Amino acid sequence: DGGITQSPKYLFRKEGQNVTLSCEQNLNHDAMYWYRQDPGQGLRLIYYSQIVNDFQKGDIAEGYSVSREKKESFPLTVTSAQKNPTAFYLCASKGPGAGEKLFFGSGTQLSVL
Amino acid sequence: AQKVTQAQTEISVVEKEDVTLDCVYETRDTTYYLFWYKQPPSGELVFLIRRNSFDEQNEISGRYSWNFQKSTSSFNFTITASQVVDSAVYFCALSEAQYNFNKFYFGSGTKLNVKP
Repeated sequence: DGGITQSPKYLFRKEGQNVTLSCEQNLNHDAMYWYRQDPGQGLRLIYYSQIVNDFQKGDIAEGYSVSREKKESFPLTVTSAQKNPTAFYLCASKGPGAGEKLFFGSGTQLSVL
Repeated sequence: AQKVTQAQTEISVVEKEDVTLDCVYETRDTTYYLFWYKQPPSGELVFLIRRNSFDEQNEISGRYSWNFQKSTSSFNFTITASQVVDSAVYFCALSEAQYNFNKFYFGSGTKLNVKP
């Protein structure tokens, strides 16, 4: 079945540590996204990529980094510069053209130890 | 300014009641797309419906129906005879065809609690 796989489901970060969240899709989608969701809040865009080797900052990119070396993969690194990283992180992808819907992964819950 | 507004933060109903979730959007684009997603407690967002700006027909799918009105820039979602399984957070989203069709604007979500 085609879809988006996020791993791990739960992740814990120590003070000053960088952690990387994985997102893989087998939908052959060009566009991929990372969203952050805080408890009881909506989705905020961190980064998105419209094509391999290209990505754009979203609304809250500070303290995060991404890479897009392969079409199917869009990992997100939460750096030590992100002082409040505890949140639920959702990865999504989208097919070509206007009006295509977003497909979402099952999310990663990141907590600080 | 918010492009998508979901003014209802949380709604509680008793099973079998009808409930309407409001969504108001703002865009200058003449071609745009509106979406509704459901986020159950498991966390993954589930796609419910997409509507383009040229199609104002209301849509019904089982107990779900959607009312799109360009005159009021609204795309409201009604659940008829609600069930406990409908308890979730519901998000409305907008995508504009002209400016950047890969960018989505989400509302802040409405949490629906359906009590038995």
